[in-house]
Parts: sequence; C-alpha cells; structure tokens
Amino acid sequence: GAGVSQSPSNKVTEKGKDVELRCDPISGHTALYWYRQSLGQGLEFLIYFQGNSAPDKSGLPSDRFSAERTGGSVSTLTIQRTQQEDSAVYLCASSLGTGFEQYFGPGTRLTVT
Amino acid sequence: RKEVEQDPGPFNVPEGATVAFNCTYSNSASQSFFWYRQDCRKEPKLLMSVYSSGNEDGRFTAQLNRASQYISLLIRDSKLSDSATYLCVVTDSGAGSYQLTFGKGTKLSVIP
Repeated sequence: GAGVSQSPSNKVTEKGKDVELRCDPISGHTALYWYRQSLGQGLEFLIYFQGNSAPDKSGLPSDRFSAERTGGSVSTLTIQRTQQEDSAVYLCASSLGTGFEQYFGPGTRLTVT
Repeated sequence: RKEVEQDPGPFNVPEGATVAFNCTYSNSASQSFFWYRQDCRKEPKLLMSVYSSGNEDGRFTAQLNRASQYISLLIRDSKLSDSATYLCVVTDSGAGSYQLTFGKGTKLSVIP
C-alpha cells in the first residue's frame, strides 16, 4: 500500500519568503507528526496531530511556524519569513494512533538562501 | 526538558561481530520505547519496539531497564547491511499531551 508522501521533495527559497510543506499520511492513520533534521543532527520533534487537533504546539521553534491538518488526513507545515537557520530536512510521519510505530515520509529538503 | 542520550559512535565492527548500543532517558515516567534505523540521507525506519520483558527479532535483541532508565539494542552476527545510524526513541504522554524524543543516534559501520 501507499506510504507517507511529502511534497515538494526539495525546496529552495529566498530568505524572508513563506513556504508550505505538505504531508499525506497513510490512509487510516489518525496520528501525524512533523520533525525536522538539520545536517548531521538528530530529529527535532515539532508538532503532532491526533485527528485534526494539535494538543501541544510547544515544539514549534518560533511563531513563524504553524501547521494544520484537515479532514484527518493531509497536513501542511507553513514557515513564514524563512530564515537561513530554517534550512533542514522536514520529515512527516504517521501512525495508527499515538504510541504506535511511526512510518516516515521521505522528507522535504528545505534550503533558505 | 526530557533528554535521550546515545553514544554517537562511530562503532566500527567486522562482519560477524556482536555489537551493543545503549540509550539513557531522563523521564522515569516514559512509556514507550523504540529503536529506529536511519540510512544516510534517508528517512528513519522502525527497527523494533522495546517491551518491558525484552524482545528479540532475528539477530536483534532489545531490552528495557526501567530502574536504570536505559534501553539497549544488541545486534548479533553483524552484516554489512546493518551499517546505519540507530536512533533511540522515547515517548511520554499525559495531561492531554504526547511527546516523542529521539536520541541523536549511534552510527554503526560494519566492515568486511
């Protein structure tokens, strides 16, 4: 079956521009997670959704970051006024519910110039 | 701040060797534990969950020690294809929230 998909796979943007990253989870997975991984670093947990709700947004690095999920399916992560330190791979994962194993998408590599 | 610590390695071992990684976590109330592997420039993939009684999957054995707050991963008869970074994951939930913390990973290189 189809796994988690993310788009775009690569995004190069200029500092100050807004970007939207998209995640399509595995069908039927109620939990969805966003992470970012900088080069050579570990995964940084950003936010998770249970259904369309994000109970805890404290992992988002700044108020320039926001995320939403609609219809219990697709999620978008929006970064406003991008900065060079936002450059990273943004990974999305989904699971049947919280506490279950997560399946990751291939990630979006964001480069802010 | 919840912490998950791993030895970054690298662990360079010959084919056929047995290698073990440990991971320590700071929150004694942590509830779920997993090992993931991540190949270079790829997304993480679940290797195995870690159960309180310990569990084995082929050449891989995972153990949890709640008293000392660490989990371990043992790989027997290492293969070249085991070369990857191994990530320890700890989850915590409560008060309507859910948090996952990934360790920074332990790099393993299996040498012919």
